[in-house]
Amino acid sequence: GAGVSQTPSNKVTEKGKYVELRCDPISGHTALYWYRQSLGQGPEFLIYFQGTGAADDSGLPNDRFFAVRPEGSVSTLKIQRTERGDSAVYLCASSLTGLAGARGAQYFGPGTRLTVL
Amino acid sequence: KQEVTQIPAALSVPEGENLVLNCSFTDSAIYNLQWFRQDPGKGLTSLLLIQSSQREQTSGRLNASLDKSSGRSTLYIAASQPGDSATYLCAAPSGGANSKLTFGKGITLSVRP
Repeated sequence: GAGVSQTPSNKVTEKGKYVELRCDPISGHTALYWYRQSLGQGPEFLIYFQGTGAADDSGLPNDRFFAVRPEGSVSTLKIQRTERGDSAVYLCASSLTGLAGARGAQYFGPGTRLTVL
Repeated sequence: KQEVTQIPAALSVPEGENLVLNCSFTDSAIYNLQWFRQDPGKGLTSLLLIQSSQREQTSGRLNASLDKSSGRSTLYIAASQPGDSATYLCAAPSGGANSKLTFGKGITLSVRP
């Protein structure tokens, strides 16, 4: 079946603008995660959804970042008033469940490369 | 707070060598540990997930082991090939049922023909 998909693959914006990044998880996966990866670093956790609700948003860096998953499938990460420091690759992952067992294995999408000029 | 360390940052080996990639983590109260591969400019590909009840997990030429008591995991690659060249990341979940992952910085492997 289809894997996790993310759109757009690349996004270039100007400082201060608003951006939306979309994630389409694997069908049937109830858990969805957003991570951010800077050059030379491992991904860093941003937010985790179980179904429609944000179960853990402790990784969001500030209130300019917000994410939704209104129907428990597709998720959108929203960034307001973008700053140059927001430039990174934003990765989305999904898992069958949010539990940390075998069914919690996370599968990642190709990412969206965000560049803020 | 979970911290994951992978050393060295880069490794270059000739084709055909067997090699071991190391990963250490600070919070041993984990339910599983996952290894990923990342090619340049790409997303992460899941290689292996080891549950805490297992000591090893194998997939083809890859074998991953987990020792919770010492806070270590290793990824063994047998008979390395140039196509194995990539960055390998290990990731451990935070304590409890929540499986949000903490990643190491990765080991960039280059296999020379």
